[in-house]
Amino acid sequence: EAAVTQSPRSKVAVTGGKVTLSCHQTNNHDYMYWYRQDTGHGLRLIHYSYVADSTEKGDIPDGYKASRPSQENFSLILELASLSQTAVYFCASSDVGDYEQYFGPGTRLTVL
Amino acid sequence: GDSVTQTEGLVTLTEGLPVMLNCTYQTIYSNPFLFWYVQHLNESPRLLLKSFTDNKRTEHQGFHATLHKSSSSFHLQKSSAQLSDSALYYCALTNNNNAPRFGAGTKLSVKP
Repeated sequence: EAAVTQSPRSKVAVTGGKVTLSCHQTNNHDYMYWYRQDTGHGLRLIHYSYVADSTEKGDIPDGYKASRPSQENFSLILELASLSQTAVYFCASSDVGDYEQYFGPGTRLTVL
Repeated sequence: GDSVTQTEGLVTLTEGLPVMLNCTYQTIYSNPFLFWYVQHLNESPRLLLKSFTDNKRTEHQGFHATLHKSSSSFHLQKSSAQLSDSALYYCALTNNNNAPRFGAGTKLSVKP
């Protein structure tokens, strides 16, 4: 069974609206990550977390917030969605000392 | 900070020819973890190879790579390309407790 799940799998949002992307992992991993993928830019790290109730900024955090209420759950929040945030978003988890990334299935977000 | 460079954005090969995808990295840390992830169309990235041991060849599913700390390289190779190898390949670097760094990715296209 899938160890990293994301919801929704796809979403259409309006410009200026609030969007929340959710990620749940059953790997018992401490580390969780949010990436966006755009054609021509590869995977870019938005936010990550080493422990519940703590988040860190990645390479492109502007316009995004993150929340890690428990070890299993990690959310990405777009308070005011913009056209430029149309992309595929991947959540991942990894274990301390191993660092292999286990990716979720992705969420395709379209902002109109 | 850490960085990963994949020089080829697109590699096009004929089936049966050898594959070599380049990956070099920069880090101030002496014990980095290096990874190759593969992403097939409409799927999420998954681990292909990983290494943290200098000069040791690691193999999986016909692909192999050797971490060379002297040249900061972790090139991906395969002796004979198959049509099913067509995918996007990412090289990635992680140091203890630091955010992972992904290269821009190399799209491998294998033609009959």
